[in-house]
Amino acid sequence: AQSVTQLGSHVSVSEGALVLLRCNYSSSVPPYLFWYVQYPNQGLQLLLKYTSAATLVKGINGFEAEFKKSETSFHLTKPSAHMSDAAEYFCAVSDPGTYKYIFGTGTRLKVLA
Amino acid sequence: DSGVTQTPKHLITATGQRVTLRCSPRSGDLSVYWYQQSLDQGLQFLIQYYNGEERAKGNILERFSAQQFPDLHSELNLSSLELGDSALYFCASSASGVGETQYFGPGTRLLVL
Repeated sequence: AQSVTQLGSHVSVSEGALVLLRCNYSSSVPPYLFWYVQYPNQGLQLLLKYTSAATLVKGINGFEAEFKKSETSFHLTKPSAHMSDAAEYFCAVSDPGTYKYIFGTGTRLKVLA
Repeated sequence: DSGVTQTPKHLITATGQRVTLRCSPRSGDLSVYWYQQSLDQGLQFLIQYYNGEERAKGNILERFSAQQFPDLHSELNLSSLELGDSALYFCASSASGVGETQYFGPGTRLLVL
């Protein structure tokens, strides 16, 4: 069965510092992978997704993620954090066999001034 | 605005009661997903419908049921409510299924007293 693990439920970075949010997945077949962001009192919105076209995926707001099959990872990065990046970030995998979407437990990003 | 609408935004009810949450997907989307988000359980996939038919089932309790109507809107019915059912309930839609971006509604906040 597919699963997603997000390391670190809370991450704090200084404004202007590198953002790195970790996601590892388990899958027996090539998965579809997603990063979503949730701002306070809002629904989730897509940041980026991997669908096997390219291993380095660029998303909105300067975020990108790299698919590493050997490490079963899909970590999210942003070179320079902005205060507006403070939110909760979810990694998700879509299981082609069962149609289920499995979300990680989320990482709450705090950006310090 | 994702194009997905959910009503009501807030719902307060008592234990043992039954409520219905409604979701209208984005125009043209055939798939509807329901999620429950709570502090202790995170974001849990409940169920997916595709063009009126149940396609995938997640951690949905037997007290909960859902359906998708011919006009593609969906309803999530929660019965015999318990305190622990208090949560944010999200609906999401996508064009068809696997590997596609899900567009989330703003959620319904349910409080069971």
